[in-house]
Amino acid sequence: DQQVKQNSPSLSVQEGRISILNCDYTNSMFDYFLWYKKYPAEGPTFLISISSIKDKNEDGRFTVFLNKSAKHLSLHIVPSQPGDSAVYFCAASYSGGSNYKLTFGKGTLLTVNP
Amino acid sequence: GAGVSQSPSNKVTEKGKDVELRCDPISGHTALYWYRQSLGQGLEFLIYFQGNSAPDKSGLPSDRFSAERTGGSVSTLTIQRTQQEDSAVYLCASSLAGGTGGKTQYFGPGTRLLVL
Repeated sequence: DQQVKQNSPSLSVQEGRISILNCDYTNSMFDYFLWYKKYPAEGPTFLISISSIKDKNEDGRFTVFLNKSAKHLSLHIVPSQPGDSAVYFCAASYSGGSNYKLTFGKGTLLTVNP
Repeated sequence: GAGVSQSPSNKVTEKGKDVELRCDPISGHTALYWYRQSLGQGLEFLIYFQGNSAPDKSGLPSDRFSAERTGGSVSTLTIQRTQQEDSAVYLCASSLAGGTGGKTQYFGPGTRLLVL
C-alpha cells in the first residue's frame, strides 16, 4: 500500500519552460513533505521542503505547493535547465512519533532538453 | 567537507551468502539511517540510529537483516543468507539530529547489491 505516490514515472520539458512534478499522499497524518533530487550513481540530495501549516514554499527556481484537502503537492521548477535532469523523489513524514521516518514515492525522471 | 560514504559501491554475491555493507556518516551527525531501493520502487526505510538510544529497527524486512553502529559513527548493515529479492541499492543517510523539520538527511551514494 503506497502512501506516497508519484504517478508520472517520467517527464520531458524544454529548457526555459516550467517543470511540474506531482505527488499524492494517502496518509492524512503526514505533516511534513520534502523533495529530493537524485543523479545516477549518487545518493538523493535534499531540494526543498514544506510544512503542512504552509501551502507554498519557494527557494530560487524551485517552489513547492501543498494542497492538504486534496492530499497533493507539486514541485515547480522555473525556468528549467538541462542540469535539472534527474530523478525527483517526493517524501513525507509526520511529527507524531517517528518523525525521522521518511516515506518516499517511486520518483519521477525529469529530462530537460536543451 | 566529506559527505556520507558507503562501501563497497557494488557487491555481487551468491544466494545464501552473508554480506556486510558499511556506512561512514558525516562527522558530527548523530543520526544515521539505512534505506533500501529496489528496482522501480521508492526508498524504503530500514533502520534508524540516534546517539546512544536504542535503534528503531521497525523497517528491517526480516531477521536476516541486522545493523550496528559502533562508537556512534560507522554503521554496518549485515544481510545473512542473502536471497535474490535482497537485490537492491542500499542507501545510508545521516543528519545532525533525528527528525525532519529542516534537519535534512544527507545520503551516501549507495551500495548496489546483486544476489545471483
